Amino acid sequence: QKEVEQNSGPLSVPEGAIASLNCTYSDRGSQSFFWYRQYSGKSPELIMSIYSNGDKEDGRFTAQLNKASQYVSLLIRDSQPSDSATYLCAVNLPGNQFYFGTGTSLTVIP
Amino acid sequence: NAGVTQTPKFQVLKTGQSMTLQCAQDMNHNSMYWYRQDPGMGLRLIYYSASEGTTDKGEVPNGYNVSRLNKREFSLRLESAAPSQTSVYFCASSIGAGANVLTFGAGSRLTVL
Repeated sequence: QKEVEQNSGPLSVPEGAIASLNCTYSDRGSQSFFWYRQYSGKSPELIMSIYSNGDKEDGRFTAQLNKASQYVSLLIRDSQPSDSATYLCAVNLPGNQFYFGTGTSLTVIP
Repeated sequence: NAGVTQTPKFQVLKTGQSMTLQCAQDMNHNSMYWYRQDPGMGLRLIYYSASEGTTDKGEVPNGYNVSRLNKREFSLRLESAAPSQTSVYFCASSIGAGANVLTFGAGSRLTVL
């Protein structure tokens, strides 16, 4: 079983809508959780990190963590065409290992 | 501030040839990583170095070797390249404690014929 699971999509939303991305992880020892955005042909860039249960908001982005359900999500409000990218969920395991999901491709339609 | 620098950016090899991907970071990070990315497979961890002087296998280490040359540099070597190693390779680093976040290099695209 892969450490981190994501729905690969593709996910399409109209401009201005809310995009919802989901991720589950298998290791209860996971300590930190991240969302990276990757444009085609580019390297991943960090958009959100979350370390404790609950919600964390940063601008149009909200990350949600539920450790009991081993579930992490990312909400993008007022989606823009520039948000079209692949979103990668990552977890940090003890020993400084970072594992990634396969990514969800998001397209925001103008 | 360059961050994480990988070389080369592109490389074409023939089956059986060897090569080394170089990675250097200037952020005084303790931990360094090598990932490969293939279509539909996400980022898969090849090897990592939690601190200078240590290296450990990740998810897909077969066919690769690594060297943590010093705190700044972490190289990935393919001793006998195979077509299955055609991929985009990313080096990354993290502080290794506290707000431990990965910072990536620009990537190296390797094609093995």
